[in-house]
Amino acid sequence: SQTIHQWPATLVQPVGSPLSLECTVEGTSNPNLYWYRQAAGRGLQLLFYSVGIGQISSEVPQNLSASRPQDRQFILSSKKLLLSDSGFYLCAWSPDYSNQPQHFGDGTRLSIL
Amino acid sequence: AQTVTQSQPEMSVQEAETVTLSCTYDTSESDYYLFWYKQPPSRQMILVIRQEAYKQQNATENRFSVNFQKAAKSFSLKISDSQLGDAAMYFCAYRSPAGGTASKLTFGTGTRLQVTL
Repeated sequence: SQTIHQWPATLVQPVGSPLSLECTVEGTSNPNLYWYRQAAGRGLQLLFYSVGIGQISSEVPQNLSASRPQDRQFILSSKKLLLSDSGFYLCAWSPDYSNQPQHFGDGTRLSIL
Repeated sequence: AQTVTQSQPEMSVQEAETVTLSCTYDTSESDYYLFWYKQPPSRQMILVIRQEAYKQQNATENRFSVNFQKAAKSFSLKISDSQLGDAAMYFCAYRSPAGGTASKLTFGTGTRLQVTL
């Protein structure tokens, strides 16, 4: 069966520091991968998605970037965090055929001080 | 672009009763997929139920069922025999039928469901 792992679970970082959140998927190949952000009490905002290695699409301009160095690895990064980057970050995967739902990781709660 | 609207920020239901959460969407596509996700306090996003637009029959998963009205672009979730563990944020989501870059989910803003004794 397929599983998705996301880490760390929580992270507290000072303003201006770098960020690296990692997400890996097991038990499948060539998944579509997604990064979402959820502000407190709000819905999910899609940040990035990827349909293959090295292929990244950005949904909104921001202080963040994403990379997919391996088929089942998706990384969310920032060179300098802003206060507005605080939130709950969720990674998700789905097969490429669209009648299947997305499956989510457990999320990372990021607090910027 | 597709939009998903959940007009009920909060709902409350008594244990063992039935509650219906509303969702409407806007699209020009004729074929698509709709989902309900549940997010408990642990913040995990858990798939509750899904519906293919080409199917007229409403989807059902145990105590969860949907009322899919394609012409009205409405996709409500009914929870029967509510349990304390049903307390969570519920998100309605839309997915285009195309694969690849179009297989993104568009989420509503969510409905917080409280379950009382």
